[in-house]
Amino acid sequence: GNSVTQMEGPVTLSEEAFLTINCTYTATGYPSLFWYVQYPGEGLQLLLKATKADDKGSNKGFEATYRKETTSFHLEKGSVQVSDSAVYFCALSDLDTGRRALTFGSGTRLQVQP
Amino acid sequence: DAGITQSPRHKVTETGTPVTLRCHQTENHRYMYWYRQDPGHGLRLIHYSYGVKDTDKGEVSDGYSVSRSKTEDFLLTLESATSSQTSVYFCAIQRQRGDGYTFGSGTRLTVV
Repeated sequence: GNSVTQMEGPVTLSEEAFLTINCTYTATGYPSLFWYVQYPGEGLQLLLKATKADDKGSNKGFEATYRKETTSFHLEKGSVQVSDSAVYFCALSDLDTGRRALTFGSGTRLQVQP
Repeated sequence: DAGITQSPRHKVTETGTPVTLRCHQTENHRYMYWYRQDPGHGLRLIHYSYGVKDTDKGEVSDGYSVSRSKTEDFLLTLESATSSQTSVYFCAIQRQRGDGYTFGSGTRLTVV
């Protein structure tokens, strides 16, 4: 079946540091890939997505590239801010299985210190 | 204009009582989902719906039931609440296959 694996957190960085959060996936078909962000006390918000190999999703300075050869979708940001502190979830949608529901990773907490 | 709202936002209930959580959308999306979020487990799918009166089980459906009598409302019922059902519950809507979700703000449920 489908699965998503994310790096364990928390990830603690100083402001303006470079961020990478690793995400790898297992899927039977050719999934769409997503990153969601959850701020404290809130629901998840879609951060970015990519629908095919080599696509790069980007939003608010965050980027992730769909790498089919390594089955990865790592999230990156060049310079993090304190306001980026949140939990980040990687997810996939595998249409080939007929399943519409997204499969989520366990989440990675990011803490950015001033 | 949130598009999706969950109620209540917080609830404390006693073991053995039935509880119903409501998800309401104004987007007219066909697909709706209920997830629970627990530390160390991420999001786990409880039930989902592909339309009015069309529902199915997710991976952690035991002890839960759902109903969808109108496009805009998706109800999650804990038939007899247990402490293991203490969690944060999220509803999500999806416009079409392959799209991402829009999530509600969640319901924090505590079973004592």
